[in-house]
Amino acid sequence: GQNIDQPTEMTATEGAIVQINCTYQTSGFNGLFWYQQHAGEAPTFLSYNVLDGLEEKGRFSSFLSRSKGYSYLLLKELQMKDSASYLCAVRDSNYQLIWGAGTKLIIKP
Amino acid sequence: IAGITQAPTSQILAAGRRMTLRCTQDMRHNAMYWYRQDLGLGLRLIHYSNTAGTTGKGEVPDGYSVSRANTDDFPLTLASAVPSQTSVYFCASSEGTNGELFFGEGSRLTVL
Repeated sequence: GQNIDQPTEMTATEGAIVQINCTYQTSGFNGLFWYQQHAGEAPTFLSYNVLDGLEEKGRFSSFLSRSKGYSYLLLKELQMKDSASYLCAVRDSNYQLIWGAGTKLIIKP
Repeated sequence: IAGITQAPTSQILAAGRRMTLRCTQDMRHNAMYWYRQDLGLGLRLIHYSNTAGTTGKGEVPDGYSVSRANTDDFPLTLASAVPSQTSVYFCASSEGTNGELFFGEGSRLTVL
């Protein structure tokens, strides 16, 4: 079966750095997405990786290793507004998105 | 404001009743999707449409139906609601089948 694994919850301190990991087992691979979802709101797009390596976008970076079935989202200079759930999703060989359950990130002052 | 509009935002429904969740987008995206989100689970695809006039079944289609008469609208119908359909429903769209998804604000449905 297809599976996306992410930690359920993480806690970090304002101003620090946090890495949220995502491992996947899917039938085929056509890209990996990270979305941010604040409580009670819709998911919003953060990043997309289809080739191995690091994609940097401001305070957020996303890394992909296709051979290891692994990605991480790196958040730097954490702010209180970064408290949210972070969703990892993989597009499979049928171009359907398979979603992880999300990682709830709690930022403490 | 461009985007996806869902209605209603929230609804409490008696079991056995019929319910239609509305979704309209103004981005002229070809692909549209309906997901449900439940605590502890990832988003699960109910139905999708790659282009107007076509629809397909997702991971959890039973008890739901959709139609795509035009590019902008993609309603989701629960023919006879059951308590297990209590969930938050998100409509989404993408420019193509491999583009990023844009989500509506969600419809919180409670079936009693």
